[in-house]
Amino acid sequence: DTGVSQDPRHKITKRGQNVTFRCDPISEHNRLYWYRQTLGQGPEFLTYFQNEAQLEKSRLLSDRFSAERPKGSFSTLEIQRTEQGDSAMYLCASSRLTSLTDTQYFGPGTRLTVL
Amino acid sequence: AQTVTQSQPEMSVQEAETVTLSCTYDTSENNYYLFWYKQPPSRQMILVIRQEAYKQQNATENRFSVNFQKAAKSFSLKISDSQLGDTAMYFCAFRGQGAQKLVFGQGTRLTINP
Repeated sequence: DTGVSQDPRHKITKRGQNVTFRCDPISEHNRLYWYRQTLGQGPEFLTYFQNEAQLEKSRLLSDRFSAERPKGSFSTLEIQRTEQGDSAMYLCASSRLTSLTDTQYFGPGTRLTVL
Repeated sequence: AQTVTQSQPEMSVQEAETVTLSCTYDTSENNYYLFWYKQPPSRQMILVIRQEAYKQQNATENRFSVNFQKAAKSFSLKISDSQLGDTAMYFCAFRGQGAQKLVFGQGTRLTINP
């Protein structure tokens, strides 16, 4: 049983470029979450999916951010026209709906640096 | 909105000692879930322990235990017989019963010294 995987692990881009990250959840986990973590802080919720439906989005998710989970399996997070303030670790987590506590399991993250 | 506060930015203890990390939270809900996650340096976050608010008994996982004080809205983590591998950032997190997102504290950087 593999854990949550994310690709790429590191991304360096120039301001104004678009970037896309991928997350593969634990198989059979029907919930998928995206969080952002800046240096020295706890993760902050961005959005979550149940199967292919995006059910909640944080105010942190500006119009430049879009997330998809087209077939209810992997998910992508795209940031358009990146800004230096977007530099952070982007974490993906997944959970199983049938679990009473719905514990979220995290991936290793994608560290984004915007120059 | 719920908030989670970890008042100890950094802690350091000697190997084999016992250490307690503090966490307080603010909520108007009666049923919710609390978690402690560990994030080792340059490694992914892993779940240490979880507590359901409706359970009065404190959760325990091997060397890790919690002191859950619902009235005081306090959820501390005790690590017994600390090991070098316990060195990590520790995050306290809250999830409301009807919500899906986790609300995290700012974290406590714990260093176990040999």
